[in-house]
Amino acid sequence: NAGVTQTPKFQVLKTGQSMTLQCAQDMNHEYMSWYRQDPGMGLRLIHYSVGAGITDQGEVPNGYNVSRSTTEDFPLRLLSAAPSQTSVYFCASSFSGYGYTFGSGTRLTVV
Amino acid sequence: KQEVTQIPAALSVPEGENLVLNCSFTDSAIYNLQWFRQDPGKGLTSLLLIQSSQREQTSGRLNASLDKSSGRSTLYIAASQPGDSATYLCAVSPSGNTPLVFGKGTRLSVIA
Repeated sequence: NAGVTQTPKFQVLKTGQSMTLQCAQDMNHEYMSWYRQDPGMGLRLIHYSVGAGITDQGEVPNGYNVSRSTTEDFPLRLLSAAPSQTSVYFCASSFSGYGYTFGSGTRLTVV
Repeated sequence: KQEVTQIPAALSVPEGENLVLNCSFTDSAIYNLQWFRQDPGKGLTSLLLIQSSQREQTSGRLNASLDKSSGRSTLYIAASQPGDSATYLCAVSPSGNTPLVFGKGTRLSVIA
């Protein structure tokens, strides 16, 4: 019963590098979303998806891309990392919005 | 735009005390409300989920209430323990197909 799995747990990037944060869930949830958590700012929504092939922007989408080719996976791509993207990233999933389950997070540092 | 506020931002209480954490939201048209716990450096653990048609939910020493008309929810923790020390987050789902909107949390310290 894995729930929501995020990889990697920690990552250090240089400014300008690109990378993909992985998120996978095994609960057949159609809703998935990405948040970033920063001190004093709380959790802010980056992108979300209500099903395979459907994505939408959240509050802070700039600098991030997503795609949803399968129900299970919802990767978050950083196109050209910037120090302002240093944060803790959380992925969440839900069955029809009936309560969300969160992954354990990815701690990203951009130097 | 839905906004969620949690007061106080931080709270320190002696062990054994009953306590209440507050959450308010600006738009009463919500689908549900969820309370989470977050330990330092960890992910979010769901504590209680209240559907919009419900008034309260209970789990062990935790009780969460919902008053949609006034845009408020409270999380009641009975007989607090040092192990309850964590940040408690309140989040609302504006509709069934829109993601959660979070408050900034209440950081609770229970002193032995």
